[in-house]
Amino acid sequence: QLALTQSPSASASLGASIKLTCTLSSGHSRYAITWHQRRPGKGPRYLMKLNNDGSHIKGDGIPDRFSGSSSGAERYLTISGLQSEDEGDYFCQTWGAGVHLFGTGTKVTVL
Amino acid sequence: QITLKESGPTLVKPTQTLTLTCTFSGFSLSTTAVGVDWIRQPPGKALEWLALIYWDDDKRYSPSLKTRLTITKDTSKNQVVLTMTNVDPADTATYYCAHSPDGDSVVYWGLGTLVTVSS
Repeated sequence: QLALTQSPSASASLGASIKLTCTLSSGHSRYAITWHQRRPGKGPRYLMKLNNDGSHIKGDGIPDRFSGSSSGAERYLTISGLQSEDEGDYFCQTWGAGVHLFGTGTKVTVL
Repeated sequence: QITLKESGPTLVKPTQTLTLTCTFSGFSLSTTAVGVDWIRQPPGKALEWLALIYWDDDKRYSPSLKTRLTITKDTSKNQVVLTMTNVDPADTATYYCAHSPDGDSVVYWGLGTLVTVSS
C-alpha cells in the first residue's frame, strides 16, 4: 500500500543546513513526490516536485537554499543557510492508484 | 496568476451536512489533465487528502471517507464543491482546496477555511 513516512521533528541552528526525509513505502520507490511548507499562521506553500532520479522543479519564488534529492525510496529536502522564517511544518505528497496522499509532516525548529 | 479561495460555514452541528465551495481563477477545469483537490488539517495533526476532481469529471475519494464525500464542479463558474455528510467533532479542521496542474502534483493552495463541528 502506498504510504509516506516522515520524522515528526527536526531542528538545526540558524545558518546551518537541515535535511528532511520522506520515505516511500515498499514497492513504490520510483514514485515522484512534492514538498510543501506550512509556516505558523499561514497556508501551505508548494516548494518543489521531486522525481526518483533527484531532478526537481521548484515553485515560483522558492529560494535557492531549498533543494531536493533522491536515493532509492527516500526523498530529501535540504534547506541550506537556515533562516528563522523556515520554521514550520514540511509535508511530502504523492499520488497513485487514483488517490493523493500526504506524509505525516516534519516540524522544523530553528535554534 | 492562479488563486483559490474556500468558502462555507465556520460552525456545523454534529450529524449535519457540510458544504464547502472552492472558487478559483487563473486556470480552467476544462483544460486537459488538471484537477482540484480538497485537503484538510485537524488542529495539531497532519494534512489529510479528501477528494479530487479531474477536468473530465473523473472523481476520486479518500478510501476512509468515501461514503461521506461528494465532489462536483461547475466549470462555467470556476467552482468546485465538496459535500460531507454526517459530520462529527472529529471533522473539525482547516479545509483547503488545491490545484494540480497535471492532475497529480498539488501545486497551488487556497488559504483554507476553519470548520468547527460542535453542538
